[in-house]
Amino acid sequence: GEDVEQSLFLSVREGDSSVINCTYTDSSSTYLYWYKQEPGAGLQLLTYIFSNMDMKQDQRLTVLLNKKDKHLSLRIADTQTGDSAIYFCAERTNFGNEKLTFGTGTRLTIIP
Amino acid sequence: GAVVSQHPSRVICKSGTSVKIECRSLDFQATTMFWYRQFPKKSLMLMATSNEGSKATYEQGVEKDKFLINHASLTLSTLTVTSAHPEDSSFYICSARAIRTTTDTQYFGPGTRLTVL
Repeated sequence: GEDVEQSLFLSVREGDSSVINCTYTDSSSTYLYWYKQEPGAGLQLLTYIFSNMDMKQDQRLTVLLNKKDKHLSLRIADTQTGDSAIYFCAERTNFGNEKLTFGTGTRLTIIP
Repeated sequence: GAVVSQHPSRVICKSGTSVKIECRSLDFQATTMFWYRQFPKKSLMLMATSNEGSKATYEQGVEKDKFLINHASLTLSTLTVTSAHPEDSSFYICSARAIRTTTDTQYFGPGTRLTVL
């Protein structure tokens, strides 16, 4: 079955790095995504990683994938107040099956 | 690129009425659109998958006669909540999958907040 778990809350000081973690259970995941949701808004795709990769870097964002442990993380370097949002990880399994399973979301709060 | 809009952004209606929500892909064609529901402080729950020109596929537990989905063109899908009840109040988000993308990425609309009185 598909189950995606995240911590609900994370507080980080401005300028520090934020690390948001996600675990999933379906070993047949093909793509894993990170989305950002600001208050009252839809989801913005931040980045994604293919399951045969273990790391992807995109400016301030670094995604790490440990497929053996089914663990995904998103690191945001030099966290800014504009990074305050809810971050969802999502997995897609079986290429051609477009269904995404979302995690519970992590609310990132920036401390000045 | 890859912009998805929803209309309206907010709607308040009385119990028993029907409400239509539109989802449009503005700068790309989408063979598949998805409708999600998000409860306060909760994750997104997939309601149905909408394919252009064919019937929508509903997730288990979602009433297809209550949540009518029409995907009439490659850029428009609509969700109609029929005979709305207060428990239908929620944040509804659509997403669209662009044709010919290697990652099959879904792009999300800004959401529609429905309040049923």
